[in-house]
Amino acid sequence: GENVEQHPSTLSVQEGDSAVIKCTYSDSASNYFPWYKQELGKRPQLIIDIRSNVGEKKDQRIAVTLNKTAKHFSLHITETQPEDSAVYFCAASIGYNFNKFYFGSGTKLNVKP
Amino acid sequence: EPEVTQTPSHQVTQMGQEVILRCVPISNHLYFYWYRQILGQKVEFLVSFYNNEISEKSEIFDDQFSVERPDGSNFTLKIRSTKLEDSAMYFCASRDRGTMNTEAFFGQGTRLTVV
Repeated sequence: GENVEQHPSTLSVQEGDSAVIKCTYSDSASNYFPWYKQELGKRPQLIIDIRSNVGEKKDQRIAVTLNKTAKHFSLHITETQPEDSAVYFCAASIGYNFNKFYFGSGTKLNVKP
Repeated sequence: EPEVTQTPSHQVTQMGQEVILRCVPISNHLYFYWYRQILGQKVEFLVSFYNNEISEKSEIFDDQFSVERPDGSNFTLKIRSTKLEDSAMYFCASRDRGTMNTEAFFGQGTRLTVV
């Protein structure tokens, strides 16, 4: 089955700097890649997603890039703020029913004021 | 904003006991999921449910696990005879119909501790 690897496991940046989190996947049939943010004690929430027919997607300070050939996708956060501090999970899904998501192991992002 | 609600937030049970974890998905959603996360490990898929039946399940979801939608609002996960290794955070999620509605909305989780 699909295997999603995520790096780094922890990331510490200064407020205002950029943060990049990278994920790789193993199954070339994966076609949907969401990113979830989980603040301490709260539920995971979708922050951005990308489908396999698109190479990049941006939403204000957040962007996701997808390289299907290399089977990797990345989350980019620019102008980081302390409220961006959370655990971020990448995921991959195969097929058009989105019956299940394969998650990465998570990245704990700490934005220092 | 509609939310997926899970109860209880924390459940402690003795090994060998049955537990039922409860979820109330978002009301117009049609696809329901259970995931779990053992402390320090990845979020793992357990089962997906659509049209009153299981659509997919993982190797983790063995005969000790079952899911049910007993009425129009609840979605439950039952573990018949809990083991120590079942201790984890269990997340319920739901999704709207259609291939354009890809977002899965997660509940806040139930932390299950088996002692």
